[in-house]
Amino acid sequence: QVQLVQSGAEVKKPGASVKVSCKTSGYAFSRYAMHWVRQAPGQRLEWMGWINAGDGYTKYSQRFQGRLTISRDTSASTAYMELTSLKSEDTAVYYCAREIRDCTNDVCYNRWFDPWGQGTLVTVSS
Amino acid sequence: DIVMTQSPDSLAVSLGERATINCKSSQSVLSSSNNKNYLAWYQQKPGQPPKLLIYWSSTRESGVPDRISGSGSGTDFTLTISRLQAEDVGVYYCQQYYTTPRTFGQGTKVEIK
Repeated sequence: QVQLVQSGAEVKKPGASVKVSCKTSGYAFSRYAMHWVRQAPGQRLEWMGWINAGDGYTKYSQRFQGRLTISRDTSASTAYMELTSLKSEDTAVYYCAREIRDCTNDVCYNRWFDPWGQGTLVTVSS
Repeated sequence: DIVMTQSPDSLAVSLGERATINCKSSQSVLSSSNNKNYLAWYQQKPGQPPKLLIYWSSTRESGVPDRISGSGSGTDFTLTISRLQAEDVGVYYCQQYYTTPRTFGQGTKVEIK
């Protein structure tokens, strides 16, 4: 069955960086996209960015431009999310979420997220 | 960015009764190319990731009970739980996937009265 298993909880100091992994199994990794979504305490789900696992194309939310890097290792069927210059406001649960790539004649169509990883709590505190 | 607004923020419903959650988008998420609404609903239980319930505004994901249904078009959408069960307790989110950035509603917490 399809599984997205994320790395464990992290505690970081302000100014540090964090890298979260999302190891996948049960499907053809390169045929899908992977999104990253975070959920700060008491806040709504916030989309951060995505990567096309096939060609490595990435797109980021403007809110995280310059601080966020999403990458993938196709040989390991794993996606990564690295956030730098951490602030206390970055304390949140970070999720990876899969999206099927639905493309026809080089035009790709957005789809929903399914499934999601179990989440990784990142705590930023001095 | 498309802003998604849900109402109410929370509701308490008796077991077996109907729960209705509304979601409004700041612009239409109906595609003229395929006449589909790019709107999904997710359920999140405490300590768990969101789980897909509905896509294309009204298509139930495999395994989702038929007491849960989605409706609406354009900018106004509704998730209905026709006969609330104890396992339906959680927070429900709508999401538009019409455009990037993908955006979510603020969530609606469903509890048992």
